[in-house]
Amino acid sequence: AQTVTQSQPEMSVQEAETVTLSCTYDTSESDYYLFWYKQPPSRQMILVIRQEAYKQQNATENRFSVNFQKAAKSFSLKISDSQLGDAAMYFCASVGSTSYGKLTFGQGTILTVHP
Amino acid sequence: NAGVTQTPKFQVLKTGQSMTLQCAQDMNHEYMSWYRQDPGMGLRLIHYSVGAGITDQGEVPNGYNVSRSTTEDFPLRLLSAAPSQTSVYFCASSRDFLYGYTFGSGTRLTVV
Repeated sequence: AQTVTQSQPEMSVQEAETVTLSCTYDTSESDYYLFWYKQPPSRQMILVIRQEAYKQQNATENRFSVNFQKAAKSFSLKISDSQLGDAAMYFCASVGSTSYGKLTFGQGTILTVHP
Repeated sequence: NAGVTQTPKFQVLKTGQSMTLQCAQDMNHEYMSWYRQDPGMGLRLIHYSVGAGITDQGEVPNGYNVSRSTTEDFPLRLLSAAPSQTSVYFCASSRDFLYGYTFGSGTRLTVV
C-alpha cells in the first residue's frame, strides 16, 4: 500500500524566484518510483519529473529539480527562476514496481506566480 | 499520434441515469487507468487494466464498471449516476508505468 501527502494546499512565488513544494510518502515496496505532475488551468496532466527510488542522485529537468530524501520518505520539487507559465496545480505521485501500475497521488498544491 | 482521447469533455446527468465515458489511446499501451479528481483529494484510482481482457478495481470502484476488449479502448460505465459521482474523470495510459502515465484531457461530469 502507498500513501502520498502534500501538506501545502497553496504556495506562491514571485516571478524569477525559487519555490519548493513538499511531498512525503509511505510505501511497503522496496522498489518504487516517484513523480511530479503539473495541472495548469487547461486541466491537462503533464509529467514534470521522475525519480527512481534506487538512485541516490536527485533528478533534474531544466528549471525543475527534486530533493529526494529516501530515509525521511520526502520528495520535494524545486522550481528555479519561476515563470508565469509555472502557475498550476502540482501533484506528487508514487508507484511501486509490483503494484501493476497503480499510481497513488497526493492532494495537490496550487502554485501562484506573481509578476 | 492522438495520444489519449476522452469523450465527452463535459456531461450533465440526472440521478439514476447511466452513461459511458469513452477512452481510447493509439500508442499501443498495455496499462490503462481511470481516475477521478475531487477538490482537496487529488486523483483517486477507480479501475485499472494491465492489458486487453484484464481489469481490476482501484481505490474507489463502487458505482463504476469497466471492460477492456481491445488494447486501444477502456470505457468507464456509470451504472446509475449519483450526485456523489460529480467529478472530473481522467483516463491514462502507459507502455511502462515506471516511466509515468500519459493522461487524457478529462471529462467534467455533473450529476443533478
